[in-house]
Amino acid sequence: NAGVTQTPKFQVLKTGQSMTLQCAQDMNHNSMYWYRQDPGMGLRLIYYSASEGTTDKGEVPNGYNVSRLNKREFSLRLESAAPSQTSVYFCASSEARSSSYNEQFFGPGTRLTVL
Amino acid sequence: AQSVTQPDIHITVSEGASLELRCNYSYGATPYLFWYVQSPGQGLQLLLKYFSGDTLVQGIKGFEAEFKRSQSSFNLRKPSVHWSDAAEYFCAVGYKAAGNKLTFGGGTRVLVKP
Repeated sequence: NAGVTQTPKFQVLKTGQSMTLQCAQDMNHNSMYWYRQDPGMGLRLIYYSASEGTTDKGEVPNGYNVSRLNKREFSLRLESAAPSQTSVYFCASSEARSSSYNEQFFGPGTRLTVL
Repeated sequence: AQSVTQPDIHITVSEGASLELRCNYSYGATPYLFWYVQSPGQGLQLLLKYFSGDTLVQGIKGFEAEFKRSQSSFNLRKPSVHWSDAAEYFCAVGYKAAGNKLTFGGGTRVLVKP
């Protein structure tokens, strides 16, 4: 049981290049999330998917797109990378029981540098 | 909008001494409260959580936290710090009505002196 996995672990891009960050979970969770982590700002939500087939913007969605490929996979795409997108990106997942709040489980992160 | 504040950016503590990390939140309803720890170069590990009931919650690695509704606080404590506790700690608040989303504080980096 791998939990939440992310690829790649590290990536360096040049300004204007595009790339897709991959995330997969094997816990049969309905909800998935993408965060970015910047010094002194904690983690900020970029996009989330409450269930397969739905996606919604979070706090900082500009410059990003997401795809919920199936129940397991949730990808984050940078169409034209900018230096301001240099960050550590975390994917997370949770169940979606309506009766209670559900804990999020995090992947190991992807460290992205945009030159 | 909800927010989470961790007033201390850095804390240095001697090994064996006690540790308290502060967390304050703003939200109208009762939130779901979490503390996560992140070791250098690692992902986030859940230390403890508060959903309801007893306001003093126990977590892993000897940590505990107390929910004080009157102060909108959820401070994390450990009686005796070990060198392996050097890490960054994040307080987070969840809101079921907001699609199970989490709002994080800015983090507190803990350094442990020998």
